[in-house]
Order: sequence, then C-alpha cells, then structure tokens
Amino acid sequence: GQNIDQPTEMTATEGAIVQINCTYQTSGFNGLFWYQQHAGEAPTFLSYNVLDGLEEKGRFSSFLSRSKGYSYLLLKELQMKDSASYLCAVRLFKAAGNKLTFGGGTRVLVKP
Amino acid sequence: GAVVSQHPSWVICKSGTSVKIECRSLDFQATTMFWYRQFPKQSLMLMATSNEGSKATYEQGVEKDKFLINHASLTLSTLTVTSAHPEDSSFYICSARGRDRVDTEAFFGQGTRLTVV
Repeated sequence: GQNIDQPTEMTATEGAIVQINCTYQTSGFNGLFWYQQHAGEAPTFLSYNVLDGLEEKGRFSSFLSRSKGYSYLLLKELQMKDSASYLCAVRLFKAAGNKLTFGGGTRVLVKP
Repeated sequence: GAVVSQHPSWVICKSGTSVKIECRSLDFQATTMFWYRQFPKQSLMLMATSNEGSKATYEQGVEKDKFLINHASLTLSTLTVTSAHPEDSSFYICSARGRDRVDTEAFFGQGTRLTVV
C-alpha cells in the first residue's frame, strides 16, 4: 500500500517560518506535489518536485530527497491568510495511472 | 496555469435522487480526469480515473454502479451519484491532465459540496 505521513497540525506566529515535513513510502515515484487548501475550498497548487533539491517560489519553498522518501514545504514570512491545510501528494508511475496519493494534510494555524 | 471548471459548486438533494457533477477543462484537452471525495477534516481520496472514450477505472471500495463516470469528450467528464443517501454527502473534486502536460493534473476544479437530506 501507499503511505504518506505529515503532521496533523502546526501553529506559528505571523511573520515567522514554518516547515511542514512529509515522508512517503510508495510503490513508485514520479513526482511530489504540495497543495494549499482553505476550509471549504478545493486545493490549489503550490509546488512540484521530481528531482532532489530545493524549489523556491516566492515565500514558499519545497525540498525533496528521493533517497530518503522525504519532502518539506517551507513557508516564510507567515501571513494570517496562510492559515490553511497543506497537502503533500505523491504521483505514482504511469503504469499505476500516474495517480496522486495524498497525505492526511497538515492544518497550519497562524496567530497574530 | 491550466483551468478546470466544476459545476455545480454546491447541491442539496433528497435521499434516493441522482445528482450529476460536471468537470470541464477550459484551456486544454483533458485525456484523463480524476475524481476525488473528501470528508470533513480528512484528505482527498481518489475515487476513479476517467479516460476519454473509455471506461473509468475505480479505486477499491468505490461502487461503479453508484458513481457513474462519463468522459465523452476531451473537455468534459461527469460524475453522477445515483440513488444518493446521506452518507454520500461530501466534497467532490475533479482534476484534469492533458496529453503530454506533466503539470496539468496539479490543477483542480472548484469542488462540489453535496448534501443529501
């Protein structure tokens, strides 16, 4: 089976930095996605990693280590609007339909 | 980025009736569409993968006769919840992937909140 783990909840202060970790054990790997989801809304795409290393996009960065089955999403200069759930998702191989398997999501609460 | 439109955004229906949800790719041809369900405070669970012109592939535990999926064109897939019951109340979300476009499956429709009363 597929196993993707991320913390359930994290709290941080406005202006601070938060790192959300994601570890995975899947039958195949063809990329890792991070999404942001506000309550009652659909997920929105944040980042995509398929090679090892750091991808930076404004206040958000994502890191991947395929050998360790590990990724993290780094949120800098936190704003109140960053309070949301953050979903880590692994894409399996084409033979498995290139499906996305999601972790349980991490609820981030940003406090003033 | 790629645009995926889902309709309706929310729907309330009576138990025993059927509800159809549409998912459209607006600026690309979607060879594959994915249908997810999300219960409150839970993550997205893939229900089925829909390929244009062929039968959908359902995940284990998802009743194909209850959740009918049609992907008749390269821009439209529909999910019909037949004989809906209160336990089918959930947030249904689609995402679409275009031919040879690695990142288009990263984009989701707005989601449909279904409430069965």
